[in-house]
Amino acid sequence: AQRVTQPEKLLSVFKGAPVELKCNYSYSGSPELFWYVQYSRQRLQLLLRHISRESIKGFTADLNKGETSFHLKKPFAQEEDSAMYYCALWGAQKLVFGQGTRLTINP
Amino acid sequence: NAGVMQNPRHLVRRRGQEARLRCSPMKGHSHVYWYRQLPEEGLKFMVYLQKENIIDESGMPKERFSAEFPKEGPSILRIQQVVRGDSAAYFCASQDTRSYNEQFFGPGTRLTVL
Repeated sequence: AQRVTQPEKLLSVFKGAPVELKCNYSYSGSPELFWYVQYSRQRLQLLLRHISRESIKGFTADLNKGETSFHLKKPFAQEEDSAMYYCALWGAQKLVFGQGTRLTINP
Repeated sequence: NAGVMQNPRHLVRRRGQEARLRCSPMKGHSHVYWYRQLPEEGLKFMVYLQKENIIDESGMPKERFSAEFPKEGPSILRIQQVVRGDSAAYFCASQDTRSYNEQFFGPGTRLTVL
């Protein structure tokens, strides 16, 4: 069965500090993973996907198949990064989401 | 392109009434997904539709819930005889065949059952 786990419901860091949002998955096939973000009063939108291997808004995420993880990282947090972040796994023609992590960046 | 549209944004129903949620996908998108988000939980897949076809409804409760995506018009998620436990945010997402599994989400409909 497909499963995505985000162990932290809430994460609070100071501006300029590094950020890491954890995501672990369970999937029998070859995983395709995404990070979605929802800023205040906006709709859910794609932040990045592992196949692109790109950095968006300073965020990166590396797929680690050995640890079945896809953690989201940013070296220096900014106040505008405050949002709800969801890790998602694509499999069997649908997305499976984690519970989400609310990230708050303190000034 | 206005993006994925959902209406109404907020819907209040009394127990036993019917709720109809509408979703208009992005122009040119022929794949529609419905997700439900209960309080303090992540989004849970409900149903995947293409025009006039239900592809996967494995996440949808067997009773009271139905979905359609007609040839013309929006996709409809219908909940009959609503109960308090149906109170949630319902999100629709659309996808293009060529978008490599990227889904575009609507703003959601927040259903409250009194």
